Amino acid sequence: GQQLNQSPQSMFIQEGEDVSMNCTSSSIFNTWLWYKQDPGEGPVLLIALYKAGELTSNGRLTAQFGITRKDSFLNISASIPSDVGIYFCAGHGSSNTGKLIFGQGTTLQVKP
Amino acid sequence: DAGVIQSPRHEVTEMGQEVTLRCKPISGHNSLFWYRQTMMRGLELLIYFNNNVPIDDSGMPEDRFSAKMPNASFSTLKIQPSEPRDSAVYFCASSLRRERGNEQFFGPGTRLTVL
Repeated sequence: GQQLNQSPQSMFIQEGEDVSMNCTSSSIFNTWLWYKQDPGEGPVLLIALYKAGELTSNGRLTAQFGITRKDSFLNISASIPSDVGIYFCAGHGSSNTGKLIFGQGTTLQVKP
Repeated sequence: DAGVIQSPRHEVTEMGQEVTLRCKPISGHNSLFWYRQTMMRGLELLIYFNNNVPIDDSGMPEDRFSAKMPNASFSTLKIQPSEPRDSAVYFCASSLRRERGNEQFFGPGTRLTVL
């Protein structure tokens, strides 16, 4: 079945640094989504991507849908302590059942 | 706008007891998903519904787990009998299924502890 490989698994950075994480798929995806999960809460949708090559920003966050349709990345610029959490990529392929495939998550810790 | 509502937020029960988790999806959404999250296994899809009909329950661990969606605004996930290994955070999510998108919106989760 379809799988997503998300990396890195965890990051520990200094406040103010930029962050980059990515996801790769074994097959073509038609939609890429990025979520953030704060401790004790459910994942919250950050950015949605629908077209190959699409680059979308949401404040300090920027995400891109890879041109091969098999990968996506999320960048966070000038990190702040509240960026701490787990970031998940997710997507679905051509068989649009509505079901999403999720990456394993990237745990981000920011040192003030 | 109200998001996905789940209850209870926390549940502590003893092994062998029945547990019922509840979910109210976002109004107008036509797909509903139940997930389980643990440190070891991450986020796992248990079952999902389209238009109140169960589509894929292959993620349900075993017969002790069952889910229903009697109408578009309510779903339950039941565990009977519960076991300590069922301890996890259970999330409900809903989406408006369409040709593109299918963004899922998650509830706050129910943290289940089975003693």
